[in-house]
Amino acid sequence: QKEVEQNSGPLSVPEGAIASLNCTYSDRGSQSFFWYRQYSGKSPELIMSIYSNGDKEDGRFTAQLNKASQYVSLLIRDSQPSDSATYLCAVPNPFSGGYNKLIFGAGTRLAVHP
Amino acid sequence: GAGVSQSPSNKVTEKGKDVELRCDPISGHTALYWYRQSLGQGLEFLIYFQGNSAPDKSGLPSDRFSAERTGGSVSTLTIQRTQQEDSAVYLCASGLGGSSPLHFGNGTRLTVT
Repeated sequence: QKEVEQNSGPLSVPEGAIASLNCTYSDRGSQSFFWYRQYSGKSPELIMSIYSNGDKEDGRFTAQLNKASQYVSLLIRDSQPSDSATYLCAVPNPFSGGYNKLIFGAGTRLAVHP
Repeated sequence: GAGVSQSPSNKVTEKGKDVELRCDPISGHTALYWYRQSLGQGLEFLIYFQGNSAPDKSGLPSDRFSAERTGGSVSTLTIQRTQQEDSAVYLCASGLGGSSPLHFGNGTRLTVT
């Protein structure tokens, strides 16, 4: 089992719809969770962090965390063509030496069509 | 404030030559990662530095690849005897360590001809 798993997509949604991106992780001890957005030809940029069970909203973005089921999701409301990008989930996993190593999923490609 | 800085932004080299890629992390960041990303592919982890601990080199694809981090700050990724399959974007990211997020530089696009 991979440490962080995402559906590679592409996920295609019409403009104005809700896009739902999912991520599962293997380490039950993980305490923080991050979503990055990567436009084609650009570097990943951090868009959401979530640390507690439940929902965290930031504008059109909502991150949802369920530690018992070991999944974290990202909802994008009122999707726009400009949201078309690859979305990466990242979770710190314990690494030998007593510190955490941030593990990225392979990313889900989102395409929002007009 | 200043973000993660990588240089050069583009590098074209001939097969068999050595190259050095540089990363200046955000000041105060103890964690530094190098990734490689080929066209249309995901992030490929290469190496991870955390403070003064021994680096995690588990992602380096061959012994032609090495990296160092001097004084806990600037890092250099060196690729010896470059091959065409080394062509990719090399990304550096830094963070505060622990459970903190990473911040990425703009990358170095390496082309081996």
